[in-house]
Amino acid sequence: QVTLRESGPALVKPTQTLTLTCTFSGFSLSTSSMCVSWIRQPPGKALEWLARIDWDDDKYYSTSLKTRLTISKDTSKNQVVLTMTNMDPVDTATYYCARIPDGSRWYFDYWGQGTLVTVSS
Amino acid sequence: QSALTQPASVSGSPGQSITISCTGTSSDVGSYNLVSWYQQHPGKAPKLMIYEGSKRPSGVSNRFSGSKSGNTASLTVSGLQAEDEADYYCCSYAGSSTSVVFGGGTKLTVL
Repeated sequence: QVTLRESGPALVKPTQTLTLTCTFSGFSLSTSSMCVSWIRQPPGKALEWLARIDWDDDKYYSTSLKTRLTISKDTSKNQVVLTMTNMDPVDTATYYCARIPDGSRWYFDYWGQGTLVTVSS
Repeated sequence: QSALTQPASVSGSPGQSITISCTGTSSDVGSYNLVSWYQQHPGKAPKLMIYEGSKRPSGVSNRFSGSKSGNTASLTVSGLQAEDEADYYCCSYAGSSTSVVFGGGTKLTVL
């Protein structure tokens, strides 16, 4: 079955760079049309889409955050990595990775359990 | 402020039906049949309930249905059950420069 799991630091300091890893199973990012996205949710607030990487290495970023985000993949390890630079307390959130089974259809059918990242000195 | 507008809360009694609206613009909801809906229970990850406006993934109850009219998408939950109490988020494709936008979320309370 399809599973995704996020991992990374629970606490980062302001101005530091956050690196999160999504490790997945049950599908391959070398399969045509397959994609993985990152989405975050500040405590008590709404979901916010961050980035997406496709099977063919195409990448998409949130317009408001694109200067701070980098998404990459390691197909052999079934991993997707998101880095976010210059972290600020407002970036405190639960970060989810999710699968998009068909990149032209833009829906997230499987989600990881999320990882809470707190930004504080 | 979220790009898509949802009511903050809706409520209904067991067995009743409720509808959650999701209002966007002609640049997102109105232009594409790519609205999806997610259910989120407290402390849990979101779960896909509807995709491409009205399609249900395997395993999702047929009590959940989706529709769209103009720039507004809607999620209807019929035959309300206690387990339906959760937050619901809509999401829409918004073109190549923006990609996707989420709504602010709606808290469904089953009275």
